[in-house]
Amino acid sequence: GAVVSQHPSWVICKSGTSVKIECRSLDFQATTMFWYRQFPKQSLMLMATSNEGSKATYEQGVEKDKFLINHASLTLSTLTVTSAHPEDSSFYICSARDLGQGYQPQHFGDGTRLSIL
Amino acid sequence: AQSVSQHNHHVILSEAASLELGCNYSYGGTVNLFWYVQYPGQHLQLLLKYFSGDPLVKGIKGFEAEFIKSKFSFNLRKPSVQWSDTAEYFCAVNAAGGYNKLIFGAGTRLAVHP
Repeated sequence: GAVVSQHPSWVICKSGTSVKIECRSLDFQATTMFWYRQFPKQSLMLMATSNEGSKATYEQGVEKDKFLINHASLTLSTLTVTSAHPEDSSFYICSARDLGQGYQPQHFGDGTRLSIL
Repeated sequence: AQSVSQHNHHVILSEAASLELGCNYSYGGTVNLFWYVQYPGQHLQLLLKYFSGDPLVKGIKGFEAEFIKSKFSFNLRKPSVQWSDTAEYFCAVNAAGGYNKLIFGAGTRLAVHP
């Protein structure tokens, strides 16, 4: 089955640090990847849609300069949290959608827990 | 704006009990509906989906869901749960044809006791 690998799974860093999270589709190509954020006991909130070779589309209220997304290839998208602060601490999840016509399901990574001290 | 409401945040059942998890959505147009499951320590997996046709949808592992358009609901059911069904269940919706943006509910954590 389709596998999405997310790295790292857990990161702890000091306030002011920039943190990069990788999302890779291991056995399929994905023109579209998605980045979600999940707060404790809350639902996944879509942050942005990442399209290979073009700029990401950010949801309302998400700072594009704060959460930099790069989708340089059909198998890799990265999310960089720039100058992270404690309020950025959260669980970040990526998903990827296979190429193809019509409906293709989103395959999810295991998530990255980000803790900013 | 679209939204999804899951009524139960935490459900505890004994094995062989029947399960029904509620999901209501708010959207005026045609929707696609999904249930995802997240087993402990694992990633989200698609359980079942509804696009059109028969409103009773069967998914993996004996789960089914019924789309009731008049009630804006898409409840998940299983006649007899097993310990291995212990997981968190998320209902999600997107606008029909808009395969990108999934709107998730807050999730229901199911614990099944042997």
